[in-house]
Amino acid sequence: EAGVAQSPRYKIIEKRQSVAFWCNPISGHATLYWYQQILGQGPKLLIQFQNNGVVDDSQLPKDRFSAERLKGVDSTLKIQPAKLEDSAVYLCASSLDPFGNTIYFGEGSWLTVV
Amino acid sequence: AQTVTQSQPEMSVQEAETVTLSCTYDTSENNYYLFWYKQPPSRQMILVIRQEAYKQQNATENRFSVNFQKAAKSFSLKISDSQLGDTAMYFCAFRASGGGADGLTFGKGTHLIIQP
Repeated sequence: EAGVAQSPRYKIIEKRQSVAFWCNPISGHATLYWYQQILGQGPKLLIQFQNNGVVDDSQLPKDRFSAERLKGVDSTLKIQPAKLEDSAVYLCASSLDPFGNTIYFGEGSWLTVV
Repeated sequence: AQTVTQSQPEMSVQEAETVTLSCTYDTSENNYYLFWYKQPPSRQMILVIRQEAYKQQNATENRFSVNFQKAAKSFSLKISDSQLGDTAMYFCAFRASGGGADGLTFGKGTHLIIQP
């Protein structure tokens, strides 16, 4: 079974530029999450989708971050304009449903803002 | 809102020893799940073990077991016969059940080093 796929794996951009990350969840998984993990910290949830609807985006900095999950399958997370403090690993994860099933993670997209 | 606390930033043990990682949490939920994830330098989060709060029996997966104390809101991970490949960051995580907003809440992690 294929895992959660993410791209690109690594990205270096200058501050005020924009960047987009793509995620394809495990086939059949209705729930998709984006997490931000800053070096030395645990991952922090940015947004949760159930199919193509947003369930929780309370910690998403909406002035610069946006995410969509058109058609309820793959998802894109965008940052515009990027700040130095956005340097982090962006982890995508998916789950069969939101009823306690295990959440599986992708390998992450490493972002460095210079 | 839930919080997860891991009070040991780093631990180091010799290969083949047993090590216990601590985790406490705070929640007003009655139904929830607890997880331990391993994160090697590649940064991919790998599930180690999960525990359903309604189950009194502690979960076990080969060399990994938990000590779940619901009243004390404690969820420690024990690794027996530790191996060099166990070296990694370990994160304790909480997930509410019942649908809706249920993303994982993570602790800050414990860096476990297994010495040869």
